[in-house]
Amino acid sequence: DAKTTQPPSMDCAEGRAANLPCNHSTISGNEYVYWYRQIHSQGPQYIIHGLKNNETNEMASLIITEDRKSSTLILPHATLRDTAVYYCIVRVEWPNAGKSTFGDGTTLTVKP
Amino acid sequence: KAGVTQTPRYLIKTRGQQVTLSCSPISGHRSVSWYQQTPGQGLQFLFEYFSETQRNKGNFPGRFSGRQFSNSRSEMNVSTLELGDSALYLCASSSGQGSNSGNTIYFGEGSWLTVV
Repeated sequence: DAKTTQPPSMDCAEGRAANLPCNHSTISGNEYVYWYRQIHSQGPQYIIHGLKNNETNEMASLIITEDRKSSTLILPHATLRDTAVYYCIVRVEWPNAGKSTFGDGTTLTVKP
Repeated sequence: KAGVTQTPRYLIKTRGQQVTLSCSPISGHRSVSWYQQTPGQGLQFLFEYFSETQRNKGNFPGRFSGRQFSNSRSEMNVSTLELGDSALYLCASSSGQGSNSGNTIYFGEGSWLTVV
């Protein structure tokens, strides 16, 4: 699986958009970009994923650059409950979907 | 739909003992993977099972083992526990099949193991 690079920490004001960057310059053509978050002492929560098109769901939007070497997770209106560690990972869909390599992630702190 | 269920949530063991952790995947999911999370090493992949067969294995000693049953439920076992095995053990499940966007992995809440 390709390696990802994320800033170790970020702050965001409550109600503002949180933009979390991820660099994955060695991504392969068949690797997807996945985002998870982990709130202290809980299991990682799936947020969103994509291959090359931008994606949006009820939680967030994922913007992937045209060369696929980086992506940005956008939380449109951050709340205090969005404070968590956010992980960006890249991996193939099959057959090794279960084997994912997690980096250190970005600790997002949403402030009132 | 119920999520991934892990038991027990918390347990304390003594060095040298063994421990078995259990995981029930999301209904219909056939792939179960296990991860270890520690403050120093982060989230590390242990192994993945699909249809009762180990499909992938991480870089952990042989003291760490697992198995999957015909109903896709899985157990992992750690023998001869060491202090360094204290960690959050996470189970994740996915459909495990080669379908488009069908392999998102979903995590359980984890089992906190403390070795004293």
